[in-house]
Amino acid sequence: DVKVTQSSRYLVKRTGEKVFLECVQDMDHENMFWYRQDPGLGLRLIYFSYDVKMKEKGDIPEGYSVSREKKERFSLILESASTNQTSMYLCASSLARGRYEQYFGPGTRLTVT
Amino acid sequence: GENVEQHPSTLSVQEGDSAVIKCTYSDSASNYFPWYKQELGKRPQLIIDIRSNVGEKKDQRIAVTLNKTAKHFSLHITETQPEDSAVYFCAAMGSGGSNYKLTFGKGTLLTVNP
Repeated sequence: DVKVTQSSRYLVKRTGEKVFLECVQDMDHENMFWYRQDPGLGLRLIYFSYDVKMKEKGDIPEGYSVSREKKERFSLILESASTNQTSMYLCASSLARGRYEQYFGPGTRLTVT
Repeated sequence: GENVEQHPSTLSVQEGDSAVIKCTYSDSASNYFPWYKQELGKRPQLIIDIRSNVGEKKDQRIAVTLNKTAKHFSLHITETQPEDSAVYFCAAMGSGGSNYKLTFGKGTLLTVNP
């Protein structure tokens, strides 16, 4: 059974702080993704990674960066948190080689005050 | 890039009725179309998917149809039950170098009334 975990369920940070969101998957998936979910806007892709140290921008990368030093771990970094980054952040992973199903983590509800 | 439109944004049905959610996509080379269900407070989970070489796929009470010419696909739920109440997201996977990237619709809140 695929397990995708995220480091925190709820997080409260102050404007200007550097924020790290961690995601770990235990199924040796090549691909990992970070989304943010806002009411009425669906799931929007921030960044994704198809291999260790490889990353590509998604649809809304501004204000975010990522790090993938190990295959199982994908980190989302908010360099200087702002109130408009208050959101639900979802991590996902998937196999390559023709298997496209994405498995999601439980999400991190981030509030920036 | 790919653009996915999803309708309706909310849908309310009586238990036992059918529910239909429709999506359109913009990239004619897209080749994979999954549907995810997200119950309140939970993570999205894949419920059914279809690839571009297939026109219809069924799994018990749920089915997905794909019309490549018109670039739209639909989710059909028959004999709805209260546990079908959730937000449903359609998605499309585009072509080219980003083969694993999904573009999601904005979601449909389905409420099944007992």
